Amino acid sequence: TQLLEQSPQFLSIQEGENLTVYCNSSSVFSSLQWYRQEPGEGPVLLVTVVTGGEVKKLKRLTFQFGDARKDSSLHITAAQPGDTGLYLCAGAIFGNAGNMLTFGGGTRLMVKP
Amino acid sequence: KAGVTQTPRYLIKTRGQQVTLSCSPISGHRSVSWYQQTPGQGLQFLFEYFSETQRNKGNFPGRFSGRQFSNSRSEMNVSTLELGDSALYLCASSRVLAGSTDTQYFGPGTRLTVL
Repeated sequence: TQLLEQSPQFLSIQEGENLTVYCNSSSVFSSLQWYRQEPGEGPVLLVTVVTGGEVKKLKRLTFQFGDARKDSSLHITAAQPGDTGLYLCAGAIFGNAGNMLTFGGGTRLMVKP
Repeated sequence: KAGVTQTPRYLIKTRGQQVTLSCSPISGHRSVSWYQQTPGQGLQFLFEYFSETQRNKGNFPGRFSGRQFSNSRSEMNVSTLELGDSALYLCASSRVLAGSTDTQYFGPGTRLTVL
């Protein structure tokens, strides 16, 4: 059982469409990070959210951290083929010492031109 | 600032052998974490090292071990390799903040194939 449930697992959309990826848990996180990974490479950090209710924007990407710090979402507006990749959420469980991240299962996004 | 580097990038071993992977963190980062990524299990935490000490450990057998040197560089070792150890092994480094976790930055990974 994944501690951090990420949905959907797969998403195939047309260029210009909007999409939202969700990350949910019963655990409280002290921080939550979103990464994007290309095949054969390591995850690249997109954003870190630390405050409940926080919203961060990165161009066409909007990240939200739930008020209770148990969930997060990533919304992409007007998706482009360059957004194609594996999106991963990862949380640092509140109360755990150190830098141990729990990852969601990932969302594989394909944006078709 | 240079990113996290991992060597080698690709490795092919046979069952029963052992392997050592290396990770150099971002300059100034003192915490190094290791993760295993497989298609079936996704990204799973192996262990974290800080000040040459293992600070956290995931649910992996004792065949997986690691260490950290005084310059914060880290190595992980897998002994008696099994087919299921084939994976992308990722290293991540971060600063150490008092009382909280810090963002982790990942290297490109080492692709290990066990035949």
